[in-house]
Amino acid sequence: GAVVSQHPSRVICKSGTSVKIECRSLDFQATTMFWYRQFPKQSLMLMATSNEGSKATYEQGVEKDKFLINHASLTLSTLTVTSAHPEDSSFYICSAVLGVEAEKLFFGSGTQLSVL
Amino acid sequence: KQEVTQIPAALSVPEGENLVLNCSFTDSAIYNLQWFRQDPGKGLTSLLLIQSSQREQTSGRLNASLDKSSGRSTLYIAASQPGDSATYLCAVTQGGSEKLVFGKGTKLTVNP
Repeated sequence: GAVVSQHPSRVICKSGTSVKIECRSLDFQATTMFWYRQFPKQSLMLMATSNEGSKATYEQGVEKDKFLINHASLTLSTLTVTSAHPEDSSFYICSAVLGVEAEKLFFGSGTQLSVL
Repeated sequence: KQEVTQIPAALSVPEGENLVLNCSFTDSAIYNLQWFRQDPGKGLTSLLLIQSSQREQTSGRLNASLDKSSGRSTLYIAASQPGDSATYLCAVTQGGSEKLVFGKGTKLTVNP
């Protein structure tokens, strides 16, 4: 099946620094990628929809200036958490769409972010 | 606003047992429903996808059913194995969108 690679898998950073997370579709082109966040014992919550070559669409309550998304190519989307704070500590996971059907949706392995 | 609820939150069973995980959703106007498996600190693996027009899907020891009108789905796991231990997530999409709305998951532990 299709593979989505997400890096890093785990990152620890100091408060106030920025962290970039990469999501790559290895063997297919993805015009659309999704970024989710999961707090402990909570559901995965959609943060934003990343579209290649255009601005990301953010879900209500997600600060676009804090969570910068760049989808510059058909195989790469990045999420940058700017000026991270402890409350940003969470599990971030991306997914990429193969084709136009939701069933062709593949997930990365996730990134555990810990902000000290 | 669509909400997805999964019961129970956690389940522990001895190896070999058959078990059922439950999922309910508040808005029955869904496009499809998926069951995923999530291992600790890992990504998601899609197990089964049921289109809104379907009643059930089967894959190996897994069987998922969908009752769209009542807003319910079940995931049946036959002859459970320790390797089945994981968190199982239910998610729905609504027409015209690839956005998934997830439940909180059921953490399954199968004891040898």
